[in-house]
Amino acid sequence: GNSVTQMEGPVTLSEEAFLTINCTYTATGYPSLFWYVQYPGEGLQLLLKATKADDKGSNKGFEATYRKETTSFHLEKGSVQVSDSAVYFCARITFNDYKLSFGAGTTVTVRA
Amino acid sequence: EPEVTQTPSHQVTQMGQEVILRCVPISNHLYFYWYRQILGQKVEFLVSFYNNEISEKSEIFDDQFSVERPDGSNFTLKIRSTKLEDSAMYFCASRAGERQETQYFGPGTRLLVL
Repeated sequence: GNSVTQMEGPVTLSEEAFLTINCTYTATGYPSLFWYVQYPGEGLQLLLKATKADDKGSNKGFEATYRKETTSFHLEKGSVQVSDSAVYFCARITFNDYKLSFGAGTTVTVRA
Repeated sequence: EPEVTQTPSHQVTQMGQEVILRCVPISNHLYFYWYRQILGQKVEFLVSFYNNEISEKSEIFDDQFSVERPDGSNFTLKIRSTKLEDSAMYFCASRAGERQETQYFGPGTRLLVL
């Protein structure tokens, strides 16, 4: 089936630490891949996306590379800040249905 | 920057009551969606809507749910007779056109059914 699996949380880090959140997908075809972020008390915001193999999405210091060979789209940031504390959702979309399928979400807490 | 808006931000209702959740998608977007997120769980697709009709719906979207675009700007989700398990955050999203895959989400409506 078509699904997204992401690393279970919660993740707690110190400021300036390196963050990785693993995400893998299954899909028929070649889906576009997304990371959405949900800050406390807010809705979902698009963080970054990639639409084809080897594309790298980046925004606000976060990066994720579309790896077709490992069906992965891991999110990374080299130096996190307290303001990065949020829930991060990996998601995929396929062009035959256009609905987003989300991973379970990973709660990240960054401590000063 | 244009954004999707949703009202109300919070709604509390009694079991069995009807609720209508309202969304104003980004102007000139053509595709509209509702998702929900039960507390602590993943975001789930409910329904997609295009050209004044439902394109696809999930198994969650049963006969108690309906969607409507009553005018050129609003997109509503109605739950006819709410159940306790309908308590969730409901997100509206819109997408510009057929080849634009990015969906833009509203801030959500938190529904609590008592």
